[in-house]
Amino acid sequence: DAEITQSPRHKITETGRQVTLACHQTWNHNNMFWYRQDLGHGLRLIHYSYGVQDTNKGEVSDGYSVSRSNTEDLPLTLESAASSQTSVYFCASSPGFLYGYTFGSGTRLTVV
Amino acid sequence: AQTVTQSQPEMSVQEAETVTLSCTYDTSESDYYLFWYKQPPSRQMILVIRQEAYKQQNATENRFSVNFQKAAKSFSLKISDSQLGDAAMYFCAYRSGGVNLIFGKGTKLSVKP
Repeated sequence: DAEITQSPRHKITETGRQVTLACHQTWNHNNMFWYRQDLGHGLRLIHYSYGVQDTNKGEVSDGYSVSRSNTEDLPLTLESAASSQTSVYFCASSPGFLYGYTFGSGTRLTVV
Repeated sequence: AQTVTQSQPEMSVQEAETVTLSCTYDTSESDYYLFWYKQPPSRQMILVIRQEAYKQQNATENRFSVNFQKAAKSFSLKISDSQLGDAAMYFCAYRSGGVNLIFGKGTKLSVKP
């Protein structure tokens, strides 16, 4: 069965370190997204991609980057982790604008 | 800019009863899509129901149905015969061509046995 997987499920890192969160989908979806979820804010878009070599900034992109070298993967990198980036991160994919998203199970990141 | 508002941070319902979660949105688009997602304690985001704006008929999925009022820009979710497994955060979301999914801040639903 097709799926979208995120790793790790939990991570603790130190302030200033570079961190990469993995997202891998086997749906063959062109559209992939990264959101962060915080209490009182719902889910906010960090970065998104509509296809290989395409990346775009979302609402809260400062301090984050992504790259899309193939259809299946969209890793999210925190260049220099900050305590404000402590959050739950969700990856999602979609075949197109007519459809909702399929979400991964999330990564809980704690920056200490 | 498009916005999605869920005015009820928390709701409670008795098992087997019916509950309605509210959602309003703001857009100048005429063609768009609306969604309700459920997030149980497991953290997984689960699509509950989807509505296309051009369809007048309200979407229904088993015990879940929506009341879509396009002119009022309202999209409420009705859960009938509530079950303990319905307890979760519920997010309303909007999407249109060229605009990615925009979420409301969520409503936490508790189900009392």
